[in-house]
Amino acid sequence: EPEVTQTPSHQVTQMGQEVILRCVPISNHLYFYWYRQILGQKVEFLVSFYNNEISEKSEIFDDQFSVERPDGSNFTLKIRSTKLEDSAMYFCAIRERGQYEQYFGPGTRLTVT
Amino acid sequence: GEDVEQSLFLSVREGDSSVINCTYTDSSSTYLYWYKQEPGAGLQLLTYIFSNMDMKQDQRLTVLLNKKDKHLSLRIADTQTGDSAIYFCAESPTTSGTYKYIFGTGTRLKVLA
Repeated sequence: EPEVTQTPSHQVTQMGQEVILRCVPISNHLYFYWYRQILGQKVEFLVSFYNNEISEKSEIFDDQFSVERPDGSNFTLKIRSTKLEDSAMYFCAIRERGQYEQYFGPGTRLTVT
Repeated sequence: GEDVEQSLFLSVREGDSSVINCTYTDSSSTYLYWYKQEPGAGLQLLTYIFSNMDMKQDQRLTVLLNKKDKHLSLRIADTQTGDSAIYFCAESPTTSGTYKYIFGTGTRLKVLA
């Protein structure tokens, strides 16, 4: 099973600050996803990323969000100016070529105060 | 639109079977998945089923798919206390070229000793 790590495990930030959440797949995977889970709610799709481009994004993924894979390894989610409602668990997931199932990281808990 | 529904809670006695149900709306979904989330942890892939299958068995887990009714179930045989967790079903609509997931609300399984 592919391994995915995420850093940090918990981030506390003040409203209006920028945060960068990192996802580190252990091996080379082609397809990357970000999901979020607000406490007590469903896991929601944010964005998918393939071949260094966004391939699909949800309505949640507005101009405050961006993703990139700057060094060919880490996959990052940036929130430019955090809002209280961005407080959630953020999960990175990867999918291998030729497979359909996704493997999730342990998540980053983001708390915006 | 795309929607996946699950009952919120299930309580069973240790050694009994658990059946967790899920209904989905997108008939184009090729694969349907079950994930387990333990407290404070990420999403662990348990099993998945291809839409042209009716049933899949994997050790203590049995997945049943009724494509006509868009109903998916996960049966856990000989449920153990370690099975206590939140179980999510997810569909992956083929209308999404990225195979993003649409998750259900999650069913919290409590196993009583």
